[in-house]
Amino acid sequence: NAGVTQTPKFQVLKTGQSMTLQCAQDMNHNSMYWYRQDPGMGLRLIYYSASEGTTDKGEVPNGYNVSRLNKREFSLRLESAAPSQTSVYFCASSEGPFLGVSTGELFFGEGSRLTVL
Amino acid sequence: QKEVEQDPGPLSVPEGAIVSLNCTYSNSAFQYFMWYRQYSRKGPELLMYTYSSGNKEDGRFTAQVDKSSKYISLFIRDSQPSDSATYLCALYPGGGSYIPTFGRGTSLIVHP
Repeated sequence: NAGVTQTPKFQVLKTGQSMTLQCAQDMNHNSMYWYRQDPGMGLRLIYYSASEGTTDKGEVPNGYNVSRLNKREFSLRLESAAPSQTSVYFCASSEGPFLGVSTGELFFGEGSRLTVL
Repeated sequence: QKEVEQDPGPLSVPEGAIVSLNCTYSNSAFQYFMWYRQYSRKGPELLMYTYSSGNKEDGRFTAQVDKSSKYISLFIRDSQPSDSATYLCALYPGGGSYIPTFGRGTSLIVHP
C-alpha cells in the first residue's frame, strides 16, 4: 500500500517557468489537500478538495492552481514560478468530513522540494 | 496573533528525560486535537488524537487538553534519540469541519 505518492520529489525552476506537482492516493479517501512548509511558518494550506469535483482556496492560494482529476489524483500547478514559491510542498488526504467515525487524520506524502531561482 | 501558538524550539534534552511540548490557542471553537510527528525530510504522521479535556495515554506518550485554558500538551516519558523530530499540534473546529489549523511545530532533539 503506497498511501500518498507525490512527484517529483525535487525540482529546480527558473523564475517565470511553470510546472505541475502530481499527487495520488490509494486509500479511497474523499478529501485531498496541498500544503507548503517553510522554516518558521509551519504548514500552510494552499488548496483543498473536499470531494471529487470540488476545490477551495486555503490560506495561501495566490500563484497556484489545482485540479482534482479524479478521486485518486490532485495536482498543483505553478503557472509562473517566483522565488517566494521556493518551499517544500506536501500533499495529504483524509477520509473526509469529521463525523466522529472518521478521526479526521491527514495522511501525508513525503514532500516535493521546489527551488525557484 | 496566530490562532495556534507553538514554540518552534529547538528543544534539546538528554536521553531518558521527560519532554513537555505545548500549544496554546485563542479560538474556543476548536474541539478536536491531534499531535503529528515529522521526521527530517518526511511528511508528518499522526501520533495521537483526543476529543475531550483531560489526559490520553499511549505508551510513553500522553496528550493533555485543557479547554478552559485553551492549552494542549504532549508529554514524552523516557525520551529516546529516535524521538528526535518536529512535533506539530493540529486543532479542528467542531461541526464536521475537516480542515485543521496547525501549530508551527516544535523541533525536539534527544541526545544520547
